[in-house]
Amino acid sequence: LAKTTQPISMDSYEGQEVNITCSHNNIATNDYITWYQQFPSQGPRFIIQGYKTKVTNEVASLFIPADRKSSTLSLPRVSLSDTAVYYCLVGSGTYKYIFGTGTRLKVLA
Amino acid sequence: DTAVSQTPKYLVTQMGNDKSIKCEQNLGHDTMYWYKQDSKKFLKIMFSYNNKELIINETVPNRFSPKSPDKAHLNLHINSLELGDSAVYFCASSQDRKRDRRMNTEAFFGQGTRLTVV
Repeated sequence: LAKTTQPISMDSYEGQEVNITCSHNNIATNDYITWYQQFPSQGPRFIIQGYKTKVTNEVASLFIPADRKSSTLSLPRVSLSDTAVYYCLVGSGTYKYIFGTGTRLKVLA
Repeated sequence: DTAVSQTPKYLVTQMGNDKSIKCEQNLGHDTMYWYKQDSKKFLKIMFSYNNKELIINETVPNRFSPKSPDKAHLNLHINSLELGDSAVYFCASSQDRKRDRRMNTEAFFGQGTRLTVV
């Protein structure tokens, strides 16, 4: 199962774009890349998923280069309410989702 | 409507006691999970069930016994509670990823149960 590496923490200011990069050098051919968001005192919540190139939804964009060994979650114009932990998951198993350490994003006023 | 609901939200108990956490999902999913999040915020899978059958037990002490009376419920019973069991426990559910050949099956998590053993 592919291991992921992402920054432990990041700070940003309101209104800025935030990019969180995740490394997954051992990604397998059929692995998807999925990002979850966890607010304090809540369970993780699915944000976005992609396989290659770029995916965009109402919450975020996900950029995946051709070699797929990394991916970048982009949050446009963050607000205080985007303060959370962001997890990058790759592949996981058929019956388990493997979470790494996550990135603690703190949005400052 | 809450998709995945767990009760109780908070649980404070003494060492040595036995306690249960209940989980229910109304999403029609086949697979359910229990995760433990410790004080360092690492989320670690404990169990997964598919169609009421245990699929994964990640070397969890046998003081922890999950029970799935039907596909919509996965309860967690803990015997002889220890201080180290203090954590937040999350229940989750998803479609059967093996049956659903698409890899983009997302997991839905409950709000968590904060267990404090004193």
